[in-house]
Amino acid sequence: AIQMTQSPSSLSASVGDRVTITCRASQAIRNDLGWYQQKAGEAPKLLIFAATTLERGVPSRFSGSGSGTDFTLTISGLQPEDFATYYCLQDYDYPWSFGQGTRVEIK
Amino acid sequence: QVQVVQSGGEVKRPGASVKVSCKASGYNFINHNFNWVRQAPGQGLEWMGRINTYSGDTNLAQNLQGRVTMTADTSTRTVYMELRSLTSDDTAVYYCARDGEGLDYWGQGSLVTVSS
Repeated sequence: AIQMTQSPSSLSASVGDRVTITCRASQAIRNDLGWYQQKAGEAPKLLIFAATTLERGVPSRFSGSGSGTDFTLTISGLQPEDFATYYCLQDYDYPWSFGQGTRVEIK
Repeated sequence: QVQVVQSGGEVKRPGASVKVSCKASGYNFINHNFNWVRQAPGQGLEWMGRINTYSGDTNLAQNLQGRVTMTADTSTRTVYMELRSLTSDDTAVYYCARDGEGLDYWGQGSLVTVSS
């Protein structure tokens, strides 16, 4: 099974900051990776699929990069509504697997 | 518009089974697989498995094989996840999510509490 290692597990940032979250796969997964945002008490929300494609309606301050084993989610200009937990998910091969999550907190 | 609505929360005794439903609308049901994801209190997301709504084929997480069954009823546009031999470790919010390009539509979640 493919393991997804996500880092950091948490970070503190200020409104307007640029934030970077990374996920590393235990084997190459092409670009079969998505990023999800989850706020407390809510279902996860898809932000990016196929590693770099922004889901409809998601603000352009979110971007994804990477392929193979190393992937990055970047938030350029953090907004108050972006404070949440973020997860990567590999959908390259079954069983699919999530990263451990990154909690983005207000500094 | 696409909607995904799950059944309500349940409380179960250890050793019992639970069946959670997930009803989809607003698109051609058989064109998309469904995945099940769970989240224990204060923990991260765990992928449980996926069902092909057209064929009924499933792929399941290794740690749940033998205890979980996923089914789809095309007549009612509903997918089901049944989990047997429940323990306290199965206490979690259970989500279904449509497999579009990424998991693009999610149910609201169903809290399953396992307690004696």
